[in-house]
Amino acid sequence: GQQVMQIPQYQHVQEGEDFTTYCNSSTTLSNIQWYKQRPGGHPVFLIQLVKSGEVKKQKRLTFQFGEAKKNSSLHITATQTTDVGTYFCSFSGTYKYIFGTGTRLKVLA
Amino acid sequence: DGGITQSPKYLFRKEGQNVTLSCEQNLNHDAMYWYRQDPGQGLRLIYYSQIVNDFQKGDIAEGYSVSREKKESFPLTVTSAQKNPTAFYLCASSGVGSTNEQFFGPGTRLTVL
Repeated sequence: GQQVMQIPQYQHVQEGEDFTTYCNSSTTLSNIQWYKQRPGGHPVFLIQLVKSGEVKKQKRLTFQFGEAKKNSSLHITATQTTDVGTYFCSFSGTYKYIFGTGTRLKVLA
Repeated sequence: DGGITQSPKYLFRKEGQNVTLSCEQNLNHDAMYWYRQDPGQGLRLIYYSQIVNDFQKGDIAEGYSVSREKKESFPLTVTSAQKNPTAFYLCASSGVGSTNEQFFGPGTRLTVL
């Protein structure tokens, strides 16, 4: 079935450094969603991208959907300790959602 | 205040016992989902339901059962047939359609002793 791979699996950054996680699919995706899960918490929806080449920004977060709609990235500028957590990409398959493996971000103060 | 509730937050059971996890939503969503998350892992789909009285198996349905008698409720039973039931269980809901985001409940952490 359809799958999405996320890299890296883990990332430790110094506070103030930038961070990027990538989501890759072997097939064309109709959409891509990003979620954040704080340690001990539940996933929370961040954003959805549906158009080829789409770029959306939320404060220090920049989301991109590739031109071929097979990959996506989430970039955080100048990380803060509040950015700690696991970031998942997800897409809607037939009647269900497929989640990537997640990237766990740790921010060192 | 709309949302999804799961209870209890922590649950302990003895091996060999069935246990039912509650999930309720007041978002008027048609679709509901159950996921399992193991430490440091992603989300694996157990069961999902697009409409009342109908549900489908996800990727890891063995040892689990569900019912969807009401739109608001989607309880999950972890049976004694599930070989390794200790995990974090997340319930989610969404509108039907490929562009709808999922809303997650706070989760139930099940430990089988």
